Amino acid sequence: DTAVSQTPKYLVTQMGNDKSIKCEQNLGHDTMYWYKQDSKKFLKIMFSYNNKELIINETVPNRFSPKSPDKAHLNLHINSLELGDSAVYFCASSQEAGSSGNTIYFGEGSWLTVV
Amino acid sequence: AQSVTQLGSHVSVSEGALVLLRCNYSSSVPPYLFWYVQYPNQGLQLLLKYTSAATLVKGINGFEAEFKKSETSFHLTKPSAHMSDAAEYFCAVKPPNTGNQFYFGTGTSLTVIP
Repeated sequence: DTAVSQTPKYLVTQMGNDKSIKCEQNLGHDTMYWYKQDSKKFLKIMFSYNNKELIINETVPNRFSPKSPDKAHLNLHINSLELGDSAVYFCASSQEAGSSGNTIYFGEGSWLTVV
Repeated sequence: AQSVTQLGSHVSVSEGALVLLRCNYSSSVPPYLFWYVQYPNQGLQLLLKYTSAATLVKGINGFEAEFKKSETSFHLTKPSAHMSDAAEYFCAVKPPNTGNQFYFGTGTSLTVIP
């Protein structure tokens, strides 16, 4: 069983289109995240949700909108795609701090190419 | 503010040689510390983590890291590099009592030369 699964793994789309990436975790975690990894491998946090509520919302264009229907799912919708949106998007999850050193678990990534 | 510094964006070692990947953090309170590995076209996998127990932490695939509070460091080592170790390595910190915020370094790409 994949702990954090995201779909699709590869996505090629034209500029101006709207697309979504779905993410589900079966770990029972209450915090989920979206990260963006650029061509230089830099990982940048985009959003964090805790129990369906937005916790972190870094400086991300309004075209990016996360949706969390329940605490096991965090989907990412992107409107009016631009060339600069081409990147790898990682979904991740972790358990709210209670004990120590909670680990963040990553999905396999979604490779988005905008042409 | 928290920060994580990984010295050396690219490290090359010969097969069988020692691997040393550096990570320094800035925090007034010792955070929780992690090393993740990313193989090509894959997600990040946890290698090891420090959670205020033993300062020398052993992880998977023969890797280990030592937490040194005086140096605010958490360097990753492996005595003998294998070709399969070629990957991107990320150091991450999670400050205690700040919810679930993780801070990642910029990554170090490890190349193993046969």
